[in-house]
Amino acid sequence: EVQLVASGGTLVQPGGSLRLSCAASGFNFGDYWMSWVRQAPGKGPEWVANMNQDGSERYYVDSVKGRFTISRDNAKNSLYLQMNSLRVDDAAVYYCARETHAYFDPWGQGTKVTVSS
Amino acid sequence: EIVMTQSPATLSVSPGERATLSCRASQSVSTNLAWYQRKPGQAPRLLIYGASNRATGIPARFSGSGSGTEFTLTISSLQSEDFAVYYCQQYKNWPPLYTFGQGTKLEVK
Repeated sequence: EVQLVASGGTLVQPGGSLRLSCAASGFNFGDYWMSWVRQAPGKGPEWVANMNQDGSERYYVDSVKGRFTISRDNAKNSLYLQMNSLRVDDAAVYYCARETHAYFDPWGQGTKVTVSS
Repeated sequence: EIVMTQSPATLSVSPGERATLSCRASQSVSTNLAWYQRKPGQAPRLLIYGASNRATGIPARFSGSGSGTEFTLTISSLQSEDFAVYYCQQYKNWPPLYTFGQGTKLEVK
């Protein structure tokens, strides 16, 4: 069974940093593009970042460029999101998701990031 | 950025009836469109990709149609487990700038 388990979400102050992790199992992790997608309360999902199989290509939504960094460790079947200079509007549930031809299947269960003083 | 607009925001339908959900793109996305279902406390689940292709394990009562800027998700005979929020997503852009609609909540009438 394909599984994605995200972790690392917590309460952080504005300007702080956080690292999210996503553990993958049940498929050949190194064969897929992977993404982070977030959803704030009452809003639609927002794609945040993605990375290709060997990490040589990374893309970000404009609102996180220069603050967030996506990375992966194929040996550990893991995806990461380093989030710096966090803002109140970064608060959301963050999902890792496997990309198949640019749509997302499946999504992990999500980890909640709260940004508040 | 391609803006995705879903309508209606809330749709009230009785079990057993047909539900029709709409998604409009601000510019053509060809058939680069997916639909997802989200239930409370769960991650979104892929239903449809390529505008009309059902994902693995998705019941035949779910169907997608459309191309360009106008898309429709139809659920032919609503079951109790179908009441949820539905999102469309375009994936036309490269470099990627995938965008989602704001969702349609399908509720019991």
